[in-house]
Amino acid sequence: GQNIDQPTEMTATEGAIVQINCTYQTSGFNGLFWYQQHAGEAPTFLSYNVLDGLEEKGRFSSFLSRSKGYSYLLLKELQMKDSASYLCAVTNSNYQLIWGAGTKLIIKP
Amino acid sequence: DGGITQSPKYLFRKEGQNVTLSCEQNLNHDAMYWYRQDPGQGLRLIYYSQIVNDFQKGDIAEGYSVSREKKESFPLTVTSAQKNPTAFYLCASSIVAGAATEAFFGQGTRLTVV
Repeated sequence: GQNIDQPTEMTATEGAIVQINCTYQTSGFNGLFWYQQHAGEAPTFLSYNVLDGLEEKGRFSSFLSRSKGYSYLLLKELQMKDSASYLCAVTNSNYQLIWGAGTKLIIKP
Repeated sequence: DGGITQSPKYLFRKEGQNVTLSCEQNLNHDAMYWYRQDPGQGLRLIYYSQIVNDFQKGDIAEGYSVSREKKESFPLTVTSAQKNPTAFYLCASSIVAGAATEAFFGQGTRLTVV
C-alpha cells in the first residue's frame, strides 16, 4: 500500500524553530508538497520538492531525500499565527496525490 | 480575483436526503477534485475530473455523484446511500491533471447530518 507518516501533534514556543517530519512509501515519486491548514479552513500551498535538497522560502524551508523517502518542513522564528496543521502530500507515478493525516502544530507564548 | 469558491460553508441535512455542494473556479484549470476530510485522517479523494464531461472515481466514491458540464463547475451530490456523510468537504483545482502541479482549494463545506 501507499502511506505517508507524520507526527500527529507537536508543540513549540513562539520565536523558536520546529521541524516537522514526513516519511512516505508510494508507488513511484513525482514530487512532494507541504500545505498549511488553519482549523476549519482550506489548505494553502507552502512548498514543493522534487529534487533532493533544501528549498528555502522566508521563514519556511523544506528538505527532501528521495533515497530515504523522507522530507521535513522547518519553521523558524515561530509566530502565534503559525499554529495550524501541516499536511505532507506526495505525487506518485500515476500523478495521484497521496496525503498524510497532517501534523497539528501548537505554538505557546 | 481568481479563485475557487465553495458554497455553502455550513450545511445541515436530514437523514435520507440528497444534498449538493457547489464548487466553482475561475482559474481556467482543467482538473478539479473533491476531497473528504475527517479528524485525524488525511484528505481522501472522492471524485476527480481532468476535463469537461469526464470524471473518475477516487478512493471513496460510494454514495457520492458528480457532474462536469462546464469547465468552471464541479458540483458534488451526497446521496442518501452515503452511510456516514458528516464531514468537511474540500474542492480543489489544478492547471492540468497528470502533472505534479499545485492544487488550489476552496474554503470547504462542513456537512452535518441531523
